[in-house]
Formats: sequence, structure tokens, C-alpha cells
Amino acid sequence: QQPVQSPQAVILREGEDAVINCSSSKALYSVHWYRQKHGEAPVFLMILLKGGEQKGHEKISASFNEKKQQSSLYLTASQLSYSGTYFCGTENGGSQGNLIFGKGTKLSVKP
Amino acid sequence: EADIYQTPRYLVIGTGKKITLECSQTMGHDKMYWYQQDPGMELHLIHYSYGVNSTEKGDLSSESTVSRIRTEHFPLTLESARPSHTSQYLCASSPEVGLNSPLHFGNGTRLTVT
Repeated sequence: QQPVQSPQAVILREGEDAVINCSSSKALYSVHWYRQKHGEAPVFLMILLKGGEQKGHEKISASFNEKKQQSSLYLTASQLSYSGTYFCGTENGGSQGNLIFGKGTKLSVKP
Repeated sequence: EADIYQTPRYLVIGTGKKITLECSQTMGHDKMYWYQQDPGMELHLIHYSYGVNSTEKGDLSSESTVSRIRTEHFPLTLESARPSHTSQYLCASSPEVGLNSPLHFGNGTRLTVT
């Protein structure tokens, strides 16, 4: 039931792009994306809802493919501040309305 | 920024002691959560609450207990701490029972049991 994230880790130079994937074996109702910096709390990035509505507040985009039961987070022209661990959290029919988080993708952006 | 507070930030305690981790939010959110996270690992849901007098166990079995007597307060208690309880504990809240709104996380309590 835990979503699978890929890659596990990625190293970028400033200005490069990255894609982080999140896939589930069950039908998804929603997908959340959070970023956590070392020693800090996870911070909300994006919600993708079944039916296509997308809500977020940063200049980071994402997609949600309901048929494939997967979501992708797109980081364009990465900045040093993008470094951290990215978690997807998924809600499906068996999760009692709670999020189940993936193992995370560690992103390091170098100057 | 979200107003959700956890105390203490760090706690080192001996085996067998009773501890309570505090979590308070000032946003009037109905749903609250406790997650356990080992360093560099994923978040595991251990408890959640839909509102006052509602508490449920999460996906990860935990020896801790929680209470929700007031909307803003969701403390977690360990009656007898053990080294296996060493971890980071994150409290979160959301305004809706469903998941159309983001989770707001506190800064966590890093617990070490010696």
C-alpha cells in the first residue's frame, strides 16, 4: 500500500531539471507532495486530486495520471534551496482518509 | 506559516520513564496526526484524531497513547519509555477530514531513550 518513489536520490547542478516519480498499486484519490530539509518539518508543496484539480503554492509543477496510478513532480531550473528530501503521500480507498508516505527522494543541488 | 507547536524539541530520558509529548495548534483544525520518523526515513502514521474525543490508531503499531480533550491539543504519552522508542515524533493537523487540504507539521520532538 505504500507508494513507491523513484529515484531514491538525485544530485543536480543549479539550473538543471529533475523529475521525481510516485506510483501506487492501488487507485488513488489524491497525492500530496512535501519537502523536508534536514532537521526540519515537512513543508507542503502540492496536492493533486482525482479529477485533475491541482493545488500548490510554489513554482513547482506536478502531474497526476489516475489510470497509471502515479504522480510526477517536476523541478525546473533547480535552485540551491530545492535541496532536501521529497515525500509523496497518497490517499486511496484503504487508508481511512489518511496519507501513506513513500520512502522519499533525496535531492541535492550543487552550485 | 502554520501555527502548530511541539514541545519539547529534544528529549533524552532513561528507560522506564513516563513521558508526554505536547502538540498544540491554533488554527482550529479538526483533524490531527502523530507520525513517527527515523532519521532519513519515511513518515509512519501512529495516531490520528477527527476531533474532540476521537482517537484512532494508525498504520504503524505503537505503544504510545493519545488523547483529544480539546480541539487545539493532542498530546502523546509513553507510559514506560524504551530504547526502541528512540525516534522523531511529528505532529500535524489539517482543516478537513478529507485530504483536499495540506497537512501542517510541527517541528517535531526528537526523543532519545537511554
